Formats: sequence, C-alpha cells, structure tokens
Amino acid sequence: QLVLTQSPSASASLGASVKLTCTLSSGHSRYAIAWHQQQPEKGPRYLMKLDSDGSHNRGDGIPDRFSGSISGAERYLTISSLQSEDEGDYYCQTWGTDIVVFGGGTKLTVL
Amino acid sequence: QVQLVESGGGVVQPGRSLRLSCAASGFTFSSYGMHWVRQAPGKGLEWVASIWSDGSNKYYADSVKGRFTISRDNSKNTVYVQMNSLRAEDTAVYYCARAPQSCSGGTCYSDYWGQGALVTVSS
Repeated sequence: QLVLTQSPSASASLGASVKLTCTLSSGHSRYAIAWHQQQPEKGPRYLMKLDSDGSHNRGDGIPDRFSGSISGAERYLTISSLQSEDEGDYYCQTWGTDIVVFGGGTKLTVL
Repeated sequence: QVQLVESGGGVVQPGRSLRLSCAASGFTFSSYGMHWVRQAPGKGLEWVASIWSDGSNKYYADSVKGRFTISRDNSKNTVYVQMNSLRAEDTAVYYCARAPQSCSGGTCYSDYWGQGALVTVSS
C-alpha cells in the first residue's frame, strides 16, 4: 500500500534552516513526490517535484531557499534562511497508476 | 497567469447532492489533467478524484467511489465534481488542482491549486 509518512510538527528559528522529512512506504522507495506549502487560512501552493534521482524542479516563483533531496525512501524539503511567512503546513504527495496519496502534513513553526 | 476558481459550495443535508465547478484560465485547459482534493476542518489534504485532459480516464478515492463523479467540459474550461449521497464526513474545503502537462497516463501530482470551496453536510 502506497503511504507517505510525515512528522506532525517541526520548529526552527528565524533565519535558520529546517529539513522536513517524508517517508515512502516499503516497496515504493523509487517513487517521485511533490512538496506543497499551505500557509494559515490559505489554499495549498506547489513548491517542487522531487524525483527519485534527487533532482527537483521548483514551481513558478518559488525561491531557491527551498530545496529537495533524497536518501533511500526518505524525501526531504530543506528551507534555508527561514522567514516568518514560511510558517504553515507542508505536505508531500505521490501518485501511482490510479491513486494519489498525501502525507499527513508537518506543521512548521518559525520561532 | 494560471487561475483556478471553484464555485458551488454551500450547506447541504445528508443524503442530498451538490455539484462543484472549477473554472480555469491562463493555460490551455484541454491539454491538462485535473484533480479534486479536499480538506476536512483541521485535517490534512485528501485526494478525491482525477481526470485526464481529454476526459477519457477518471480515478477516484475509495471514500467517494460510487458517490462522486468527476467530469470536464473543455469548451468551457471547467472541471466538475458531482457529489451524491453526501455524508457528514464529506464536510470539507474542496480544491481543484491542475496536473502538469508532462504527466501522461495514470494520475499525477498537482502544480497549481485553486482557493477552495467549502461544502458543509449537515441537517
């Protein structure tokens, strides 16, 4: 079964960096994912697609403070030079032949 | 620029029906697959349904299969979701989202999102 697992919460200080993790279920370690950001009271915004070779393509207007990387079944989103507007929920998404799956989301607090 | 605008949300009684629309602009609608994704109050994102660019293939989450129908009218640049036999647990903000043009076959991820339409199922 295709499942994405995310930690419920994370926090980091203004100006620092944070690395969020999304873990693919067993047998699905070669799947690509996408990362999305949802600021409070707003709709989601696409950040990037992260392929199984570690390459990533940011969405329109997404600053290069946002980057992606992988290790085995783990998919990472690193946000550097944290700003107050980076606070919100972050979701990973993957897809199969006839299904789309979202992780449970990570709530990021900027201290 | 890409714009997706949902409409048709509201309050509906359990067991009744509702149809949501999503009007697209800023891109060649007929070349892109589309999704519906929902978010219950205080919860995370849940995929609902997807449709190919030409409408020939449709996919549904198990939670809505047999009750919801996704469709599109490429002449009107609009994607729909017909929701029948609504339940309290269908209460959510419903987002339409675009799939990238690079996707071919099956489902895909989302690269643009609308602002959402709230559906409340309550007696």
